[in-house]
Amino acid sequence: GDQVEQSPSALSLHEGTGSALRCNFTTTMRAVQWFRKNSRGSLINLFYLASGTKENGRLKSAFDSKERYSTLHIRDAQLEDSGTYFCAAEAGVNYNQGKLIFGQGTKLSIKP
Amino acid sequence: NSKVIQTPRYLVKGQGQKAKMRCIPEKGHPVVFWYQQNKNNEFKFLINFQNQEVLQQIDMTEKRFSAECPSNSPCSLEIQSSEAGDSALYLCASSLTGGSGNTLYFGEGSRLIVV
Repeated sequence: GDQVEQSPSALSLHEGTGSALRCNFTTTMRAVQWFRKNSRGSLINLFYLASGTKENGRLKSAFDSKERYSTLHIRDAQLEDSGTYFCAAEAGVNYNQGKLIFGQGTKLSIKP
Repeated sequence: NSKVIQTPRYLVKGQGQKAKMRCIPEKGHPVVFWYQQNKNNEFKFLINFQNQEVLQQIDMTEKRFSAECPSNSPCSLEIQSSEAGDSALYLCASSLTGGSGNTLYFGEGSRLIVV
């Protein structure tokens, strides 16, 4: 079936540094969402992209449907950015009904 | 961020018991999804609704779960006979319209432990 491969599975950054998370798709996806799971277990919406790039504060995301990937860049990481990040893609088929396919998650730890 | 309300936060059931979870979608969102997230952070789509109508569901849901989204009442997902493998976080999400192109907003989930 359709797959979403997310990497890395875990990432440790020092405060003030940055890095990127990536999701590769085995098939053409219509759109992608990025979430952060906070300490309460809630999935916080970060981005929804059907194409191109979006930026919000220290986060920036890109989605390339043709090349089958999406990225989430974090810059100037802060302690509160710690958590597990998920990408979730919407398959590009008419019967999909908006259903999301999730990546495996990236556990991000920010160190002082 | 999200105003999807799920209850209860936790429930503990014995094998064979029914387990019922409820979800109030964000106001004005007619589309509701249920996902199961296991301890390995793997998400499994269970079922989705548009208003009161089921759009899609997987075989497991059809065979073992009872789900509905009545008008003017919370949506619900009920396992008819709980099994150990049902222990997981059950997440409800809502969106503004069906089909593609819509952000999903998730609740905090109901964590089911089957003993």
